Amino acid sequence: EAQVTQNPRYLITVTGKKLTVTCSQNMNHEYMSWYRQDPGLGLRQIYYSMNVEVTDKGDVPEGYKVSRKEKRNFPLILESPSPNQTSLYFCASSRGQRTDTQYFGPGTRLTVL
Amino acid sequence: GENVEQHPSTLSVQEGDSAVIKCTYSDSASNYFPWYKQELGKGPQLIIDIRSNVGEKKDQRIAVTLNKTAKHFSLHITETQPEDSAVYFCAADTGRRALTFGSGTRLQVQP
Repeated sequence: EAQVTQNPRYLITVTGKKLTVTCSQNMNHEYMSWYRQDPGLGLRQIYYSMNVEVTDKGDVPEGYKVSRKEKRNFPLILESPSPNQTSLYFCASSRGQRTDTQYFGPGTRLTVL
Repeated sequence: GENVEQHPSTLSVQEGDSAVIKCTYSDSASNYFPWYKQELGKGPQLIIDIRSNVGEKKDQRIAVTLNKTAKHFSLHITETQPEDSAVYFCAADTGRRALTFGSGTRLQVQP
């Protein structure tokens, strides 16, 4: 089954404790990205990657890191989480063109105390 | 960069009625306008999209219209059913092969 998976689905942590949210896709997609969803703000892109070893900032990159060492995986790293990073996070992938459908993972709900 | 505004933020309709959600965008270079549906506890899923070379597209009970001159596009759902209840997002493409999303509309279809 073609899908985007994320882990963990739920995470409660404390300020300053490094964490990683994993994302994996099995569709051989070139393009992957991370979004955060906050009430009233919709989905805002954090980082994106057009291919292996190619990453770039989206609209709200501060406080986040990403890496793309393999085509299928695109982890999101919060090196020192803060309460304002409490949010619902989605990973998405697509073939790579502007008009390609983006396939979203199920989401990771993160709470930073 | 692109800015997408979406209205209304919440919409309640009776089963069988029509629902309309409207979006405006700022970047005249945008050419691709998808709509995503997010059901409770799930990630958004594409339901319909439209490209700038057409003014309207229909898929069963769902239709999207685009007015490039006015820079707005709308989602129309006819004969609404309870399973249409969800959050709907409009979006427009940007130069980064990314999408800029609207703030979302929570649609509630009352049985």
